[in-house]
Amino acid sequence: AQSVTQPDIHITVSEGASLELRCNYSYGATPYLFWYVQSPGQGLQLLLKYFSGDTLVQGIKGFEAEFKRSQSSFNLRKPSVHWSDAAEYFCAVGARAGSYQLTFGKGTKLSVIP
Amino acid sequence: GAVVSQHPSWVICKSGTSVKIECRSLDFQATTMFWYRQFPKQSLMLMATSNEGSKATYEQGVEKDKFLINHASLTLSTLTVTSAHPEDSSFYICSASKTGTSGKGQFFGPGTRLTVL
Repeated sequence: AQSVTQPDIHITVSEGASLELRCNYSYGATPYLFWYVQSPGQGLQLLLKYFSGDTLVQGIKGFEAEFKRSQSSFNLRKPSVHWSDAAEYFCAVGARAGSYQLTFGKGTKLSVIP
Repeated sequence: GAVVSQHPSWVICKSGTSVKIECRSLDFQATTMFWYRQFPKQSLMLMATSNEGSKATYEQGVEKDKFLINHASLTLSTLTVTSAHPEDSSFYICSASKTGTSGKGQFFGPGTRLTVL
């Protein structure tokens, strides 16, 4: 069974500082990998995804993530955080077969200090 | 685009009543739709996978007689919470997978906040 671990429950950064959110996964092969962002009371918005190819993927809002097979990680990064980035971030693993269901991590809440 | 809508966005009901939540893919066909439940400050938990024209597949621990799912067309899935109780209060989110994309992404609805009094 697939699983996702987001070790950091809550991270606080200053506006303009760099950001890295950690994500580790467990899956029998190379999975599909996703990062979603959720603002309070809202649904999920896809930031970026990895299916194959270049292990560094670019997403919306200036985010990027790097797939590292050897570490089973897919960490999300942003060089300069904006106050509007404050939200909950979820890493997800998707199965490549069967029902293609997603398994989500517990999420990391990002707070941004002005 | 790939837009998924949910209706209603929020609902308050009395204990013992049933509530239906609709999930629609507005600009694409979705062979598969997923229903999630999210408790406050927690992650999304998959409740069931719904395929058009067939019975839904429920995750372990989810009561299929309580959470009725119908996926009657390629653009509509409904979740009915039957005989709702306060412990069913939660944020319910649906997602849809585009037909023919082999699971390469799900598009999420905005969620429905259910409060059972």
